[in-house]
Amino acid sequence: DSGVTQTPKHLITATGQRVTLRCSPRSGDLSVYWYQQSLDQGLQFLIQYYNGEERAKGNILERFSAQQFPDLHSELNLSSLELGDSALYFCASSAGALGRIDTQYFGPGTRLTVL
Amino acid sequence: TQLLEQSPQFLSIQEGENLTVYCNSSSVFSSLQWYRQEPGEGPVLLVTVVTGGEVKKLKRLTFQFGDARKDSSLHITAAQPGDTGLYLCAGVGDNFNKFYFGSGTKLNVKP
Repeated sequence: DSGVTQTPKHLITATGQRVTLRCSPRSGDLSVYWYQQSLDQGLQFLIQYYNGEERAKGNILERFSAQQFPDLHSELNLSSLELGDSALYFCASSAGALGRIDTQYFGPGTRLTVL
Repeated sequence: TQLLEQSPQFLSIQEGENLTVYCNSSSVFSSLQWYRQEPGEGPVLLVTVVTGGEVKKLKRLTFQFGDARKDSSLHITAAQPGDTGLYLCAGVGDNFNKFYFGSGTKLNVKP
């Protein structure tokens, strides 16, 4: 158990809909990362937050947005869903120290299926 | 397109065999990490290599970072069924904030 929790574990929805994925980081971690893992493209970095502020952005679509709240939990919002958005979405947390490599601890993921 | 290419994509071997997984890129990274992921779970960090040419050993696993910091390899000696899983390499960008994952090598070790 990494200490990172993600809800829900599974989500099935239809094209055009909007969903929210939730992540609670490990106790004491200030940084949260979001990743998308699909069968044909591996693990793609989406976005990183540190103590409520966006720190780094990866291949995140404009239809997707995220935020980190004062209690440090984070939410990833996916809107106007398409079939190709079906994937595993992982959240990871780390201490977030600047200027050095952090160990990321991954949650169990949310499996999103868009029908 | 993936910034990091891993090979092979799939590997099925018998218990006791040795194997090597490769992670290659045309980009230079400040460091490189290896993860193992089991079905239904998130990736778990195995090692971070930082210096070009660095070799790290973790029991039966040997990790090497290329001299130019563009590639890495993972060698497993005497593989066991418990080594089965998806092995992912991740290049770390200069600012230590962005992580570029390879597409993974799915290893199956048969008893």
